[in-house]
This record gives sequence, C-alpha cells and structure tokens, in this order.
Amino acid sequence: NAGVTQTPKFQVLKTGQSMTLQCAQDMNHEYMSWYRQDPGMGLRLIHYSVGAGITDQGEVPNGYNVSRSTTEDFPLRLLSAAPSQTSVYFCASRPVDRANTEAFFGQGTRLTVV
Amino acid sequence: GQNIDQPTEMTATEGAIVQINCTYQTSGFNGLFWYQQHAGEAPTFLSYNVLDGLEEKGRFSSFLSRSKGYSYLLLKELQMKDSASYLCAVRDTGGYQKVTFGTGTKLQVIP
Repeated sequence: NAGVTQTPKFQVLKTGQSMTLQCAQDMNHEYMSWYRQDPGMGLRLIHYSVGAGITDQGEVPNGYNVSRSTTEDFPLRLLSAAPSQTSVYFCASRPVDRANTEAFFGQGTRLTVV
Repeated sequence: GQNIDQPTEMTATEGAIVQINCTYQTSGFNGLFWYQQHAGEAPTFLSYNVLDGLEEKGRFSSFLSRSKGYSYLLLKELQMKDSASYLCAVRDTGGYQKVTFGTGTKLQVIP
C-alpha cells in the first residue's frame, strides 16, 4: 500500500517558470489537501478538495492552481514561480466522513525558486 | 478562524518526562491532533482528542480541556529518537472540517 505519493522530491525553478507538483493516493480518500511549510510558520493550507470536481481555497492560495479530475490525483500548479514560493510542500489525504481520522502525508517536495 | 500557540523549542533529558503545551482559540472546534515530524520528513499522526481528558498511548499521552482551549502532549521515558518537532492541529466545525496547524515545538532530547 503506497499511501500518498508526491513527485518530485526536489525541484529548482527559475523565477517565472511554471510547474506541477504531483500527488496521488491509493486509499480512496475523498479529502485531499496541499500545505506549504516554512520555518516558523507551520503548515499552511493552500488548497483542498473533498472529491473529484470539487476544490476550494485554503489560507494561502495565491499563485497556485489545483484541479481534481479523479479521486486519486490532486496536482498543484505553480503558474509563475516566485522566490516567495520557495518552501516544502506536503500533500495529505483522509476520508471525509470520519472526523477523528488523521491525515496521511506524502513525503514532501522541496522547492527552491531562484 | 483558528489561532494556535505552542512553544518554539524545548530541551529535555533522555529518560525524563516532557510536556508540550498547545493553546488555541477557535470559532468552531471538532477535535485536536498531535503529529510528530522528524527533520526532513513528513508529519506522522500521534493522537486525537475531541472530549476533555487524557488519552494514553504507550509512552505518549495527550490531554484536552475544551473550556480552556488547552491541550498538552506528554512524552515519558524520553528517547533520543523522540527529538523532533511536535505539531498541534485543530479541526473546525465547518462543512469540510478543515485542519489548522500550529507552528510546532522543536524538542531536543539530550543524553
């Protein structure tokens, strides 16, 4: 059981470039989310989805787009990378109908924008 | 919205007991999680509290007081491998029950 898989693990981008961070889960979880983690800031929610075709913004959505065409996949797109987007990105999933269920995290993508 | 406070860093001695506190202010509360995160790794689940009281799980225990907006994580018989960041997270009562994380407490266990 692979759980939550993120690719790539590391990425360096130039300012203005675009890219997609991939996230896939094989647990049939309805709820998927993207966080960024910066020193002293904790995990901050970027976007989330409660099922295929349904997405919504978190607390720091600017500069990022998401889509959810299948239950398994929830890619995060950086439209025009900026140095402020240098961070560690985590994807997480959980069932939507059980409040006491913890989130399962991917191993993270370490992104540097130069 | 949610506001969650934790100490930034703590140091404790191998074999000892350490308590990591978390206070929160929230417009809606539907449970509190503790996660452990080793440097360079993903967070992993430790505990969940939704009712007042103490939940014990081996060397780790978590306490919740909803009226005080307060939780703590208690780690007993500390081991060197417990050196990690400990994240407090609160789930709200909104339709999709979003989870907000605190900034985490970095615990260093010393010999």
